[in-house]
Formats: sequence, C-alpha cells, structure tokens
Amino acid sequence: DVKVTQSSRYLVKRTGEKVFLECVQDMDHENMFWYRQDPGLGLRLIYFSYDVKMKEKGDIPEGYSVSREKKERFSLILESASTNQTSMYLCASKQGRQTGELFFGEGSRLTVL
Amino acid sequence: AQSVTQPDIHITVSEGASLELRCNYSYGATPYLFWYVQSPGQGLQLLLKYFSGDTLVQGIKGFEAEFKRSQSSFNLRKPSVHWSDAAEYFCAVGAGGYQKVTFGTGTKLQVIP
Repeated sequence: DVKVTQSSRYLVKRTGEKVFLECVQDMDHENMFWYRQDPGLGLRLIYFSYDVKMKEKGDIPEGYSVSREKKERFSLILESASTNQTSMYLCASKQGRQTGELFFGEGSRLTVL
Repeated sequence: AQSVTQPDIHITVSEGASLELRCNYSYGATPYLFWYVQSPGQGLQLLLKYFSGDTLVQGIKGFEAEFKRSQSSFNLRKPSVHWSDAAEYFCAVGAGGYQKVTFGTGTKLQVIP
C-alpha cells in the first residue's frame, strides 16, 4: 500500500520558534509538495520539488523554506513561527512529469501560540 | 493562470438521496480535472480524474463526474448517498506537465439519516 507519512500529526509551538515538518514517501516519486489548508481557502501550494535538491516556490512561500536531501523525504521549515502560520499542513507526492494524481499524507496540524 | 470555483461551502443531504457538487474552472486550453475527498482527520484521496476522451468519468465509491466544456464545469454526482460519504470534497484543475494543480475551496457534505 502506497504511503505518504507526515511525522507529526499535531504540534504546538511558540512564536519565534523554528519548526520542522517532515514528510516521507515510499513510492519512489520524483515530485513532492507542501500545501497549507485553511477553512474557506482550500489548499494553497507553499513549495514543491521535482527532484532531489531542487525546489520551486508555490503560491505562498513567504515565511517558509524547504529541504530535499533525499528523494523520499521533503521537509518544510518555518524559520521563525508566527501565529498566522497556525494551519493544517499537507504533504503530497506525484509520479512523473505530467499532471497526475497527488498522494497525500494525513496532515500536520500546527498551532503557534 | 487557472482557477477553480466551488460555489457551495456546505451541502446537507439525506441518506439515500442523490448528490451533485458543483465545480467551475477557468483555463484557456483543455484542463486536467480532479475530484478529491477528505474524510475528517485524513489527507485527500483521489475520487476521479478527467484528462481527455469520454466526458463522463467514473470514480471510486460510486461517484461520477461530467466534463462540460461549454459550461466550464466538472460536477460530481452520486445517485444515492451513504452516511460514510460525509466529508469535504475538493475540485482541482491542472494545466499539464510541471504546471501546478489549483484546488477549489472545498464543499463540506453533511449526510443526515
């Protein structure tokens, strides 16, 4: 069974803390994505990566960075968390160059106090 | 750039009743269209997709969707809703290749006995 695993389901952090959200996929997919999900706004793309050590900005990259040192792992980093980054974060992966199915993790709900 | 509109934020239907969730997209060429479902506390799962060919596509869990180019729509339907269909449904559009997929804001479905 294919799987995208997000290491933390729930996190509570304080303003100014550095936050790491980890995502691992076992499908050997080239492409990985980080989305942010907020009520009434749907899913918004933060960053994506189509290869190891490659990254591309999505629609809302400000305040975030990413790291992809290995094909199966894609990390989202909040250098200095702020309360407006309280949200649900979803990681996804996809095979190949063409538009296709995204496979999602179960999400990481982050609360910044 | 492409965009997606899901005009209904919440829909309530009785178990056994038929369902139609609306999705309108904006894109200049032939779009790649998707419907995803998100059960409470879970990530998103693909229900069905349209890339080309037959405009009526069948998906999992008894869902179907019809692509209507003249109306720029891709509405999701199910003839008889089950209580387990209560979830949030997202329509998405892609432009092919490495172009990103854009999600709608979602429709939350409530099923009453």
